[in-house]
Amino acid sequence: DAGVIQSPRHEVTEMGQEVTLRCKPISGHDYLFWYRQTMMRGLELLIYFNNNVPIDDSGMPEDRFSAKMPNASFSTLKIQPSEPRDSAVYFCASSFRGSLVFGPGTRLTVL
Amino acid sequence: AQTVTQSQPEMSVQEAETVTLSCTYDTSESDYYLFWYKQPPSRQMILVIRQEAYKQQNATENRFSVNFQKAAKSFSLKISDSQLGDAAMYFCAYRESGGGADGLTFGKGTHLIIQP
Repeated sequence: DAGVIQSPRHEVTEMGQEVTLRCKPISGHDYLFWYRQTMMRGLELLIYFNNNVPIDDSGMPEDRFSAKMPNASFSTLKIQPSEPRDSAVYFCASSFRGSLVFGPGTRLTVL
Repeated sequence: AQTVTQSQPEMSVQEAETVTLSCTYDTSESDYYLFWYKQPPSRQMILVIRQEAYKQQNATENRFSVNFQKAAKSFSLKISDSQLGDAAMYFCAYRESGGGADGLTFGKGTHLIIQP
């Protein structure tokens, strides 16, 4: 199994641009999570899905952030427009029973 | 809301020695999971060990073991025979086992330094 796959691994963009982060969960996992990690705030849960359905998006910082899971093998996190304070590492994780398996993360830098 | 507290921002240990990382949590639930994740400089989040709250026996994984005190809401990680590759950030995490809040709640982390 290739584990959780995220792309891109690094993204540098300018303020105001749209950013799309992608995630492929482990096959058979029914939960998918998006986390953000910063030095100031640590690891924050942004949104999670169960069987492709968004369950809790209360962690999404504002309307500029949106996430979709059109099928069991793909999810996106979009930021539009991006701002410098969005700079962080974004993790996708999936789980089946209890333990979360994390992807390698996407380091986003917004200039 | 559940909270996870790691009171040690940084710990240092000599190679081959034993070190214990502390974690406390707050919850009103009786059934849940607790985890320790390791994040080396590569930033990959790696599951170290997992404990189900209904199990009284402490989990162990090779050199890693936990001391789970449910009444005290304490979940410490012991690393025996520390190795240079153990150097990393260690995060304690909590997750409810039933429906509801299904995501992991993380502590702020402990930076573990291994002295050669």
